[in-house]
Amino acid sequence: NAGVTQTPKFRVLKTGQSMTLLCAQDMNHEYMYWYRQDPGMGLRLIHYSVGEGTTAKGEVPDGYNVSRLKKQNFLLGLESAAPSQTSVYFCASLNPGGATSGELFFGEGSRLTVL
Amino acid sequence: GQQLNQSPQSMFIQEGEDVSMNCTSSSIFNTWLWYKQDPGEGPVLLIALYKAGELTSNGRLTAQFGITRKDSFLNISASIPSDVGIYFCAGQLDNYGQNFVFGPGTRLSVLP
Repeated sequence: NAGVTQTPKFRVLKTGQSMTLLCAQDMNHEYMYWYRQDPGMGLRLIHYSVGEGTTAKGEVPDGYNVSRLKKQNFLLGLESAAPSQTSVYFCASLNPGGATSGELFFGEGSRLTVL
Repeated sequence: GQQLNQSPQSMFIQEGEDVSMNCTSSSIFNTWLWYKQDPGEGPVLLIALYKAGELTSNGRLTAQFGITRKDSFLNISASIPSDVGIYFCAGQLDNYGQNFVFGPGTRLSVLP
């Protein structure tokens, strides 16, 4: 009963390093999202995808790239990490128009620290 | 972008007390959602509201979709220690998915 799985759970980077966060969902959901969560703020949308091979920018896309080569996977990349990208990152998926339409299913989060 | 305001930001209550929190916006939403986040976990959906005026319960939780479609409240009755966490409201702008806006959250602490 995996749902949405994120890897890695924790990572420490130095400024300028690159990394990729992987999100995998086993619910056959069409839509997938990457959010970041910072203290005192709501979840902010970085990028999202409404289907395999498609991606779009969210509210705070700068410094990030994404890819959705397979329906079940959504990758978030940091090309050159900056301290401002220290955050907890959440992946989510959604089945639009289904019985649970409107319900986002979240992963457990990936805590990233950029030194 | 759209903003959601949640109040209170945080609250400390005694076990057994009832709790009320709300969410307001200047924008109209088609769907209101309430999520709870436990420490170290991702948010989990508590209640989803799809129609203006709708009142929905889930155990000790009750939520309402405001008539104006710009607000929602969540009530928790007879709080217990496991109610501790951060409660987020979220509004969905369209019926086909990509536009969710989240509030900053209400942090609930339950004192024994």
